[in-house]
This record gives sequence, C-alpha cells and structure tokens, in this order.
Amino acid sequence: VQLVESGGGLVQPGRSLRLSCVASGFIFDDYAMHWVRQAPGKGLEWVSSISWNSGSIDYADSVKGRFTISRDNAKNSLYLQMNSLRAEDTALYYCGKEGIRTTGTVYYYYMDVWGKGTTVTVSS
Amino acid sequence: DIQMTQSPSSLSASVGDRVSITCRASQSISSHLSWYQQKPGKAPKLLIYAASSLQSGVPSGFSGSGSGTDFTLTISSLQPEDFATYYCQQSYTTPWTFGQGTKVEIK
Repeated sequence: VQLVESGGGLVQPGRSLRLSCVASGFIFDDYAMHWVRQAPGKGLEWVSSISWNSGSIDYADSVKGRFTISRDNAKNSLYLQMNSLRAEDTALYYCGKEGIRTTGTVYYYYMDVWGKGTTVTVSS
Repeated sequence: DIQMTQSPSSLSASVGDRVSITCRASQSISSHLSWYQQKPGKAPKLLIYAASSLQSGVPSGFSGSGSGTDFTLTISSLQPEDFATYYCQQSYTTPWTFGQGTKVEIK
C-alpha cells in the first residue's frame, strides 16, 4: 500500500500549482482521500477531502475558494489544484487514504496510509 | 470548528517511563478520535483510531482511552523508538482538526 505525491515546487504568490498523488496496493475507488499539510516547524492541518465517487467534497476555510480537490479513479490518482497561492500556503503537503471501521451503527474514520509528501514554497 | 488542545506541548522522559498525553475537544466528539506519531522528516503514522482501537502493527505498549471531550494516549513503557511528536485528531465533523502536537523527548 503506497501513496506518492508530486507536483510541489517554488511558486510566486498569486500563481497556481497542481499536486498529484498516485495510489497503489489497494482498491483506490473504494476509499475517500484527504490532503493534509504541515508548514515548516508547525503542526498538521487538514486541507481537503473527497469521497470515493467525488460526490462529497470538503475544504478547510483557509483554502476554500482557492483550492480544488479531485480524483481520477481510472488512474488511481488524487489531485489538488491550488490557485491564488499565498505565503501561508507554504508547507509539506501529504495525501492520505481514509480508513473506516464500523460497530454496525457507528462509523469511525481516520487516515491509515500517508504519502511522504511534496513541498510547496510560495515566495517571490 | 472543533478545537483540539493537547497537553503537555512537550515532555522529557526516560526509556521505560510510563507516559500519558491528553487531548481535549472543544465539544463532544464521542469516540471519533485518532492518534498519530510523527518522527522528524517522516509522514505521520496512525497509532489509535476510534479513541481506543489499536491500529494493526502498532506495539501493544500504546493505548488510548476517553470519550466525549477528554482523551488520553498512554505509552506503558517508553522505548527509544517512541521519541517523536504525537498528534490527536477528531473526525467527528469536517473540518477534521488536529491538536497542536506533543513532543516527547529523551530526558
């Protein structure tokens, strides 16, 4: 089971970048997926999530209206289109597979597989 | 948004010590809480989900407890490989939110 992110780099404020995450070792279209970021020396921040069929999508307020999450199940790939980038978007971006367990009546969600991350630096 | 507050922010301990980290949610999240371990330069690793369920492959020295707003991660006997930063995270509702992290250092 593996996730490999790519697409990071140095970009000027206001510009765009598209991150990709390729999955292997599991049935990609069975699972929701997430993006989580970590600014240098800081903690973890959840960014966005997408359900298995793209029918449910959520964003953190800090990126809403600027970032777009998407997936291509035929390519086992997850994407994050980042527009109008700001200095505060500088971070290591991880993609994560959502795990799920149920007691029968309650469903518990978590991230059980993480990629190694791709670094985004927003600077002039 | 649900705020997650961990304490302490850092702690120093010795190999063999019993260590506990607490996490408090700003509102009830039932048992929708996970714990992750992160070592420098590495991705986070899932330790505990549903507040107290041990992820497959995680040593039994790790345990989680709590429900509602108060949760605890306990390491029964600290091993050299356990020195890391630990994060709690709620999945009760989006946006999912993390605690600020607890760094466990060698005394």
